[in-house]
Parts: sequence; C-alpha cells; structure tokens
Amino acid sequence: KQEVTQIPAALSVPEGENLVLNCSFTDSAIYNLQWFRQDPGKGLTSLLLIQSSQREQTSGRLNASLDKSSGRSTLYIAASQPGDSATYLCAVNFNKFYFGSGTKLNVKP
Amino acid sequence: DTGVSQDPRHKITKRGQNVTFRCDPISEHNRLYWYRQTLGQGPEFLTYFQNEAQLEKSRLLSDRFSAERPKGSFSTLEIQRTEQGDSAMYLCASRPSPPWDRGVETQYFGPGTRLLVL
Repeated sequence: KQEVTQIPAALSVPEGENLVLNCSFTDSAIYNLQWFRQDPGKGLTSLLLIQSSQREQTSGRLNASLDKSSGRSTLYIAASQPGDSATYLCAVNFNKFYFGSGTKLNVKP
Repeated sequence: DTGVSQDPRHKITKRGQNVTFRCDPISEHNRLYWYRQTLGQGPEFLTYFQNEAQLEKSRLLSDRFSAERPKGSFSTLEIQRTEQGDSAMYLCASRPSPPWDRGVETQYFGPGTRLLVL
C-alpha cells in the first residue's frame, strides 16, 4: 500500500526566506507526482506536476524535484511571501491519488 | 469548461440524519472519484466510477455510505445515520477515460462539500 509522508507538518518563516518542503513515498510505481496548495476550508489548487521520468519542474518561484528511485520529492519556494501561507499537499498518482498529510506554511510579514 | 462542481458547499446535520452530496464532473470526463479529507489530514480515496460502473471502493466506505452515478454523468454520495466521525470535507474529482499519457494525466478537483455532524 502506497504511503506518503510530508515533513515538516508545520512551518513558520519570516517573509523573504527560501524554504523546502519534503515528501516521501513508499512505492516507486507512480505515473507522476503533484504538489497542491490548499487554503483553509477550500479545495485543491494544482501547483506542479512532475512526470515519473522527470527530475524537476519549475513554475515561477516554485521548483519541485523528484527522485523516484529513493521515493522522495521536494518543493522549493523562493523568496516566500505572506500570500504563500497555506497547506501544501504532495500526492502520488497511480490510477488514484495518494496524499500526504500536508505541510502547513505560515509566512510572517 | 466550468470545471467540477459540488453541491452543497456546506452541510450541518445532526447525528443520525442522512445526507446526500452531489458532484457534477467536467462534461467529457468518464471517470469520477470521491475523496474524504478530515481536519489536518490529506484527502483519502473513497471510490471511483467509470461511466456508471463503480469500479473500486475503499475500506473507508462503510455500509452507511453509498455512491451512485446512474447515468454516467453526475454522482451522488449518501451517508446514512451520520456520526460525528463523518465530519470532513468530501472532495470529488474527474478525469477522462484511458488511454492516457500517464506521465501528465491528472484529476480535476471540485471545491468540496464540508460536512459537520453535531
């Protein structure tokens, strides 16, 4: 059974810091891996999708990497802003999504 | 493309009552998924449909839960005799049928229905 773990569970940083969110998964048989953002009480917003054959994807200040053989992914956020405050969810895709429990990020002005 | 819609967005009910949620997928998507997300956790898979056929159910889907997709379009999720532990966000997602380019295929999520059982 696929298990997805995210570390840390919560993170509080001052504005402007670069930060790294970690995701690990137990079964490397995946189609792809996605990072989502979730604001309180809201649905999911897709941030980045990394195909199983890729090593990384970038979108603006976000960069996600994937090491499928070791079952790890990281989401790097550059120059964090208060508007980045949200919960970030990692999900591996193999016919259905398996989600981690998320990292709750608070960026202080 | 109006995206995946869910109704209602919020539901408060008393323990023991029955509730029903509706999901309207993106029109050309034949696969429809239900997930449940409790506070502080990531979404967990409940069940999915290929057209009107329910192809997989999670062990999380107890006998009190039933999902249908009678005409292969919208889907309903019913919870009978609700319990306080059923309080959660219920998310619906859809995607086209296979074959896919598995590397880039994904699911499109609705805004969710937040259920509170008192």
